[in-house]
Amino acid sequence: DGGITQSPKYLFRKEGQNVTLSCEQNLNHDAMYWYRQDPGQGLRLIYYSQIVNDFQKGDIAEGYSVSREKKESFPLTVTSAQKNPTAFYLCASSISGGANEQFFGPGTRLTVL
Amino acid sequence: KNEVEQSPQNLTAQEGEFITINCSYSVGISALHWLQQHPGGGIVSLFMLSSGKKKHGRLIATINIQEKHSSLHITASHPRDSAVYICAVEGWKGGSEKLVFGKGTKLTVNP
Repeated sequence: DGGITQSPKYLFRKEGQNVTLSCEQNLNHDAMYWYRQDPGQGLRLIYYSQIVNDFQKGDIAEGYSVSREKKESFPLTVTSAQKNPTAFYLCASSISGGANEQFFGPGTRLTVL
Repeated sequence: KNEVEQSPQNLTAQEGEFITINCSYSVGISALHWLQQHPGGGIVSLFMLSSGKKKHGRLIATINIQEKHSSLHITASHPRDSAVYICAVEGWKGGSEKLVFGKGTKLTVNP
């Protein structure tokens, strides 16, 4: 079955700790994206990658970091510098950057205590 | 003003009713997406369109490029259609094409 997986579904961390969210896809897509969703707001782009070993900041990259060492993997690290990390995080991928359909993972709900 | 505005924010309907959700945008776009988010959080792409109209089962999406407006219609609505419907537009921003999302319309269909 082709798709995008994110793990874990729920994550709890103490304030001040870094945490890494996993995103894997087996769709052979070049482009991958990380979004953040907060109640009452639209999804906002954190980081995106159009090709392996390259990534770009989105609209709200501060306090986050990513890597794209493999085509199928795009992990997101939420660092202690992120002021309000509690949110729902969604990973997506598309065949390439540009006007293509994006396929979304199931999301990870991060709660920082 | 948000680049993508959806209306209504919340919508409650009885099973069988015809549903319309509206999306207006203020920027030039290359495509518009309609997405569905279920209570568990997962998002599914329903339509991607840049002109005219698309139909899939009971769902119909239309776009008017001149008026910068799109509608999502659901015919013969069913409780399983209950979800948040999100409009997103794809446009050039910062040197590449990116999606800008509306806040979503929460639809509840009662039996």
